[in-house]
Amino acid sequence: AQSVAQPEDQVNVAEGNPLTVKCTYSVSGNPYLFWYVQYPNRGLQFLLKYITGDNLVKGSYGFEAEFNKSQTSFHLKKPSALVSDSALYFCAVRERESNYQLIWGAGTKLIIKP
Amino acid sequence: EAGVTQFPSHSVIEKGQTVTLRCDPISGHDNLYWYRRVMGKEIKFLLHFVKESKQDESGMPNNRFLAERTGGTYSTLKVQPAELEDSGVYFCASSTTSGSFDTQYFGPGTRLTVL
Repeated sequence: AQSVAQPEDQVNVAEGNPLTVKCTYSVSGNPYLFWYVQYPNRGLQFLLKYITGDNLVKGSYGFEAEFNKSQTSFHLKKPSALVSDSALYFCAVRERESNYQLIWGAGTKLIIKP
Repeated sequence: EAGVTQFPSHSVIEKGQTVTLRCDPISGHDNLYWYRRVMGKEIKFLLHFVKESKQDESGMPNNRFLAERTGGTYSTLKVQPAELEDSGVYFCASSTTSGSFDTQYFGPGTRLTVL
């Protein structure tokens, strides 16, 4: 069955430290990969996506993600965390040859402490 | 450019009542999607419109849910009659291309509470 795993319900990071939010997937073929963020009382906001090419993709607000085909992972990273990065982060995948529906992870709450 | 908008932002109804959610996609976006997140679980796909046609409704949970997109502009999602398990956040998204790598842009969601 197709699935996306975000193994950490919550990640705590001190401001200024690097952060990583993990995502692994089990989807047939070579899917398209996405990260979205949800700030409190707001909708889902697109951060970045991997389609093809360079395994390191850069997105909004200084975030980047590294695609690892052998480990079927797409971890979200940022070199220096800000308190304003505190939010709920979702990883999502979509099969290339299939329909348009996104398959989602359960979300990871990121807390950045001053 | 205005983003995806959804109305209402919150809805509280009694079990057995009817609720209609509305989504206005980004202007010019032919693709419109509905998703929902129930009780902190994963976000689940409900259906996908291309213009006014239902391209994929494989995620619709049962026949109490009816989605329409008349004229290929805004869409409505009606739940009739509502059950307790329908509580959650309903998200709408739209995208501009029919290519397989298009990005879906989401609205703020409608939080539905069924009592």
